[in-house]
Amino acid sequence: GAVVSQHPSRVICKSGTSVKIECRSLDFQATTMFWYRQFPKQSLMLMATSNEGSKATYEQGVEKDKFLINHASLTLSTLTVTSAHPEDSSFYICSARAAGPNQPQHFGDGTRLSIL
Amino acid sequence: AQKITQTQPGMFVQEKEAVTLDCTYDTSDPSYGLFWYKQPSSGEMIFLIYQGSYDQQNATEGRYSLNFQKARKSANLVISASQLGDSAMYFCAMREGRRDNDMRFGAGTRLTVKP
Repeated sequence: GAVVSQHPSRVICKSGTSVKIECRSLDFQATTMFWYRQFPKQSLMLMATSNEGSKATYEQGVEKDKFLINHASLTLSTLTVTSAHPEDSSFYICSARAAGPNQPQHFGDGTRLSIL
Repeated sequence: AQKITQTQPGMFVQEKEAVTLDCTYDTSDPSYGLFWYKQPSSGEMIFLIYQGSYDQQNATEGRYSLNFQKARKSANLVISASQLGDSAMYFCAMREGRRDNDMRFGAGTRLTVKP
């Protein structure tokens, strides 16, 4: 089946550090990639949607300058949490979807970000 | 407005028995897709099953089946012959045709399978 690779799986860093998370579709071309955030015992909250070669569309309340998304190719999207603070600590999950109707979204394994 | 509703925060089932996880949705779009995902404690999201709004038959994938009742706007997941490895969070999700790039998730149901 379709595989989405997300790296790193866990990050622990100091406050003020910028952290980059990569999301790759390994065996299909992901025309659209999604970034979600999940707090403990809660559902996934969509942060932004990115289409290859264009600017990401951010959900209301998500700071564009805080969460930089780049979708430079059909197989790679990156999320950079800039100047991270403890409140940014969370589980971040990327998802990728191929073009065409009724295509499911395939998820990466997530990145657990802990800001000290 | 909440589009996807999962009213069961937690469910218990005895091993080898069947269990139904509820999901109701709200949309005015005639074209939509319904998805179920499993999230074990390790965090990854595992796609289980898909039902399209125009599909005439209920979707089935191995031990998973989707009880799709369009008039009632419900898409319940049925897991037959539960296994200990089925213990996880289960999320129902919907993507509307007019918002083709936007999948929304329910709050989830935590399923615990008892030996």
